[in-house]
Amino acid sequence: DTAVSQTPKYLVTQMGNDKSIKCEQNLGHDTMYWYKQDSKKFLKIMFSYNNKELIINETVPNRFSPKSPDKAHLNLHINSLELGDSAVYFCASSQYKFSYEQYFGPGTRLTVT
Amino acid sequence: DQQVKQNSPSLSVQEGRISILNCDYTNSMFDYFLWYKKYPAEGPTFLISISSIKDKNEDGRFTVFLNKSAKHLSLHIVPSQPGDSAVYFCAALSLNSGGSNYKLTFGKGTLLTVN
Repeated sequence: DTAVSQTPKYLVTQMGNDKSIKCEQNLGHDTMYWYKQDSKKFLKIMFSYNNKELIINETVPNRFSPKSPDKAHLNLHINSLELGDSAVYFCASSQYKFSYEQYFGPGTRLTVT
Repeated sequence: DQQVKQNSPSLSVQEGRISILNCDYTNSMFDYFLWYKKYPAEGPTFLISISSIKDKNEDGRFTVFLNKSAKHLSLHIVPSQPGDSAVYFCAALSLNSGGSNYKLTFGKGTLLTVN
């Protein structure tokens, strides 16, 4: 039974489109995260939610909008996709916002053409 | 700015020998340091951590050493096994500016190949 799952696993789309990536965790964790791993392999945090409340919002274009309908789900919606948005997006969760151990999903590889 | 640096993109080690993965950091305010392991097409998985107040933490074949004065940490794997072949990310944890939550900062990773 997958702890942190993401859909879709692969996403190929054209510039200008709007797309969403979904994430679900069944660990009962309070805190969820979105990370972006770019072509240079850096894994950088984008957002974090704790019990549906946004607690981390890094310098990310406002075309990216996270939504947490409940503490088990954190979705990422991206408007007006650009070539530079091509990356692997990882969802993660941790038991609390002060937990250092995070559990990652398998990633969603987004390719914008 | 790169606060966590892994200067070796890859490392090749023979089975049974020691693997040493290195990591340097610039921010002296980091509270914890962690190593994550990542296989292809999977997300990173937590491996081992060390508090900034300690200099060594051991878990089975994995030992992490922290040298605060040099702002350097290393992960030792002894003995190395083929299943250890993966990308290893060094990460550091710090409180955000408001002190309300932790944030992880990752290095670029080192690909370890054990053959």
